[in-house]
Amino acid sequence: GAVVSQHPSWVICKSGTSVKIECRSLDFQATTMFWYRQFPKQSLMLMATSNEGSKATYEQGVEKDKFLINHASLTLSTLTVTSAHPEDSSFYICSAPIQGENTEAFFGQGTRLTVV
Amino acid sequence: GIQVEQSPPDLILQEGANSTLRCNFSDSVNNLQWFHQNPWGQLINLFYIPSGTKQNGRLSATTVATERYSLLYISSSQTTDSGVYFCAVDDYKLSFGAGTTVTVRA
Repeated sequence: GAVVSQHPSWVICKSGTSVKIECRSLDFQATTMFWYRQFPKQSLMLMATSNEGSKATYEQGVEKDKFLINHASLTLSTLTVTSAHPEDSSFYICSAPIQGENTEAFFGQGTRLTVV
Repeated sequence: GIQVEQSPPDLILQEGANSTLRCNFSDSVNNLQWFHQNPWGQLINLFYIPSGTKQNGRLSATTVATERYSLLYISSSQTTDSGVYFCAVDDYKLSFGAGTTVTVRA
């Protein structure tokens, strides 16, 4: 299957600082990537759709100024959690679909963010 | 959006047992995928199966699109099968079910 790489795998940051998470498609190009958030023992919730060359589309209730998304190239999307607070602590995971006859999504390893 | 319901929420199996996980969805879909989330959080693609039947080793899946459900079969379960199984649907912007937590005991 296709490979999506996410970095870092885990990060601990101080309250008020910003954290950047990278999502790369290693062996295919992705004009669109997706960012999800997962709380413990819960399902994945879509946060936003990252679009190469244009603004991200955010789901209802997601603060776009808090979660900055930049799709810099056809293989890289970044999520920056700005002015992080303890309530932002969560598992963040990205996905990229391979578009063709079948649109199958592949996921990165996820990033566990802890804000102290 | 499309509603996705998975059952059962939890499943405890003895090693070697077989099991069936179910995914119901509220509308027609172009994409249905099954994933296994391992203890480290990684989502492993199991099946891309908007319709029909597929098999991969001890796992198989069937989707009956006209009746809006999909089934994931685990045969001869092993402890490494433990984890959360998710069904996700839609046309490339995936909506996830709540998952089924599977625990396989030795």
